[in-house]
Amino acid sequence: DTAVSQTPKYLVTQMGNDKSIKCEQNLGHDTMYWYKQDSKKFLKIMFSYNNKELIINETVPNRFSPKSPDKAHLNLHINSLELGDSAVYFCASSQGASGSNWVYFGPGTRLTVT
Amino acid sequence: AQSVTQPDIHITVSEGASLELRCNYSYGATPYLFWYVQSPGQGLQLLLKYFSGDTLVQGIKGFEAEFKRSQSSFNLRKPSVHWSDAAEYFCAVGPSNTNAGKSTFGDGTTLTVKP
Repeated sequence: DTAVSQTPKYLVTQMGNDKSIKCEQNLGHDTMYWYKQDSKKFLKIMFSYNNKELIINETVPNRFSPKSPDKAHLNLHINSLELGDSAVYFCASSQGASGSNWVYFGPGTRLTVT
Repeated sequence: AQSVTQPDIHITVSEGASLELRCNYSYGATPYLFWYVQSPGQGLQLLLKYFSGDTLVQGIKGFEAEFKRSQSSFNLRKPSVHWSDAAEYFCAVGPSNTNAGKSTFGDGTTLTVKP
């Protein structure tokens, strides 16, 4: 009955590797997001997709590439991982892109780059 | 530009005591305001939100928040704290009529509950 799920929950990898985080929502929402929460707990949006189309792309290195195969999935692929990429990455979804929509967050993926 | 300030980095209250977490925002028009809770090792959960109407908003888990335009504040309150409320609390502000993901989050307030 999970609303927004992410895999894996924990990810430890070495610098230079490529990794992916998967996200799925079963809420029937049209809009999905990726957020990054750094070590100081500051939460910042990275990407947003609406009906599989990219609508927000904040200042994020192009090593990060989101992929939305369908409305229910938004995966995040990261190339050439760096130490500074260590953070908790949250996937989220909402019914629509309007600011009045509730945003539902996944449990997060804690990425540690060594 | 929109911004959110949570003045208290860490608050400790005794179980059963009342709680108020402060949030101040900066935004040119009427904002959308949110409070989220993040329990240890867990994801974010929306507690409540405000975007129009009654300025006193009721949320889940017995929380409420009051929007005060004159003070640019949206403080979160709970009359009696339970040990399970220990968590990180985030206030967020979003511009109306734009993508919900454009919300700006505060730095968070860590709540510790003493037995």
